[in-house]
Amino acid sequence: EIVLTQSPGTLSLSPGERATLSCRASQSVSSNFLAWYQQKPGQAPRLLIYGASSRATGIPDRFSGSGSGTDFTLTISRLEPEDFAVYYCQQYGTSPTFGGGTKVEIK
Amino acid sequence: EVQLVQSGVEVKKPGESLKISCKGSGYSFSSSWIGWVRQMPGKGLEWMGVIYPADSDTRYSPSFEGQVTISADKSIRTAYLQWNSLKASDTAMYFCVRQGFGGNPVDYWGQGTLVTVSS
Repeated sequence: EIVLTQSPGTLSLSPGERATLSCRASQSVSSNFLAWYQQKPGQAPRLLIYGASSRATGIPDRFSGSGSGTDFTLTISRLEPEDFAVYYCQQYGTSPTFGGGTKVEIK
Repeated sequence: EVQLVQSGVEVKKPGESLKISCKGSGYSFSSSWIGWVRQMPGKGLEWMGVIYPADSDTRYSPSFEGQVTISADKSIRTAYLQWNSLKASDTAMYFCVRQGFGGNPVDYWGQGTLVTVSS
């Protein structure tokens, strides 16, 4: 089973700042089957990024994903008030797993 | 419009059985994997397993194998998650999802079913 480790656990930033979230896999993620999801309190998560770097429908271009193999990054170029949330990575191969999450909070 | 609509809040006692449901609409239910995701209170997301309704091919995460049963009835476009004997540690929100397996990311989520197990 691939273990995904997200860091940092919490990121304290101000609106307008840049956020960089990391997701590291214990072994190579096949075909870059790596997704990022955003979850706000009391809501189901929503898909932001798939295939490591492709934005899902309707996702603003301030969200970008990069990486391959075992190291992946989600970048939010300029934080908007609605971006403060918890972010999860997931590898969606034949034995899917989620990372533990990164909370982006207002500083 | 794709929708996954889950059954309502459940409050159960340890040792009781439970089956929660997820009804899909707005897409070809039989030909998309349906998965289940657990979220314990204040914690992260955990992948439990997945089913392909067309032939009931089911795959479980190692952590959940033998602990739950995933099933589906394609005639009524509904997937299920079942426990034979609940424990307090089963208290969580459970989400059904479309895809999330085999090269396809989760593109739709149900609204979640809150299960509370307490004596």
